[in-house]
Amino acid sequence: QLVESGGGLVQPGGSLRLSCTASGFTFSASWMHWVRQSPGTGLVSVSRIRSDGSTTSYVDSVKGRFTISRDNAKNTLFLQMDSLRAEDTAVYYCARGRSDWSLDAFDIWGQGTLVTVSS
Amino acid sequence: EIVLTQSPATLSVSPGDRATLSCRASQSVTNDLAWYQHKPGQAPRLLIFRATIRATGIPARFSGSGSGTDFTLTISSLQSEDFAVYYCQQYTIWPLSFGGGTKVEIK
Repeated sequence: QLVESGGGLVQPGGSLRLSCTASGFTFSASWMHWVRQSPGTGLVSVSRIRSDGSTTSYVDSVKGRFTISRDNAKNTLFLQMDSLRAEDTAVYYCARGRSDWSLDAFDIWGQGTLVTVSS
Repeated sequence: EIVLTQSPATLSVSPGDRATLSCRASQSVTNDLAWYQHKPGQAPRLLIFRATIRATGIPARFSGSGSGTDFTLTISSLQSEDFAVYYCQQYTIWPLSFGGGTKVEIK
């Protein structure tokens, strides 16, 4: 399973670090992703990271502001979010790629953590 | 970015009826398409991947079809636990993208 933490209320321009702790599968062999859902809207893929951390990708709207990373020794995925904007307000989910292919469906999801950017 | 358009936005169905959900891609995604079920406050659940393959533990009443740009999720006989929002997702190219969702509600 996956359990996210670290969400909360932050002012515009502020920073937040999300964590996602994995259990029950081989975390170090899995591509991992962050997906968000803003209020009243659908799901958006935000970032992904290869199993060994060597490759990362970001959606254009967060490039240069968000950083994905992982600690395979602690089975934990991170999302460092800087220069936060109101439009980053969303529930953030971590998810596992179904296979070791770089692009695949997500077969395990967390319950999500809410990030609210507001003054 | 590949845009996925789901229709209808809302589907009102009686328990026991068939539900047919559509997903259209702005360009071909071959068969790199998944379907998810999402209930409020819960984690999304993978139903179908590779357009037609049911994920582990998914009941046979869920089926997927299509390839290229047009895809369908069919729920053959709706159960009470199936009322939820359903999303399609393409994973042929980054950024991965999701459709806007179809809400299946009780008629």
